Amino acid sequence: QVRLQESGPGLVKPSETLSLTCSVSGVSITDYYWSWIRQFPGKGLEWIGYIYYSGSISYNPSLRSRVTMSVDTSKSQFSLNLTSVTPADTAVYYCARITLEVGGGDWFDPWGQGTLVTVSS
Amino acid sequence: DIQMTQSPSSLSASVGDRVTITCRSSQSISRYLNWYQQTPGKAPKVLIHAASTLHNGVPSRFSGSGSGTDFTLTISSLQPEDFATYYCQQSYSTPNTFGQGTKLDI
Repeated sequence: QVRLQESGPGLVKPSETLSLTCSVSGVSITDYYWSWIRQFPGKGLEWIGYIYYSGSISYNPSLRSRVTMSVDTSKSQFSLNLTSVTPADTAVYYCARITLEVGGGDWFDPWGQGTLVTVSS
Repeated sequence: DIQMTQSPSSLSASVGDRVTITCRSSQSISRYLNWYQQTPGKAPKVLIHAASTLHNGVPSRFSGSGSGTDFTLTISSLQPEDFATYYCQQSYSTPNTFGQGTKLDI
């Protein structure tokens, strides 16, 4: 059974860097693409980006100047760094696996349980 | 970015009702449209991918249709566990984008 678990600080000060890690179990991290998605308090969902272990990366242009993702295959983890955070970055952050199907597109499944990150001084 | 618009934003229904949720994209996305269900305090779960393919383990009362810019999610006979928020998401191009959600309650 594939499981994803987010970890990291729940409180980050404005202008600092938000750092989260997603631990993957039940599947090889090298077999899939992986994504970060966040959900704002008003419930809207925003895709942050995806990463593949080989270095293939795509970020949401709205966050590109502030976001970095990486993969540590030895630990079966991938990570998110978001710099210069403001209260507008307060959200539940999810990690998710991307499942691909030839001719059928791709979708997020499964998701981690999510972790609330609050940006406040 | 491709904008995804769901309607209605909220919907009241009863057990046994048939309900339909609509999702419209700002440009054609072929059939690259997924539906998710989210219950309070939980992460979204995929129900349907590629517009009409039921995900493994999802009850057959859920169905999806559409292509191009207009899509629907139908629940044929509401069960108590179906009262949740539903989101559509396009995977046609990055950035992947989601609809604003439809909250289904009693």
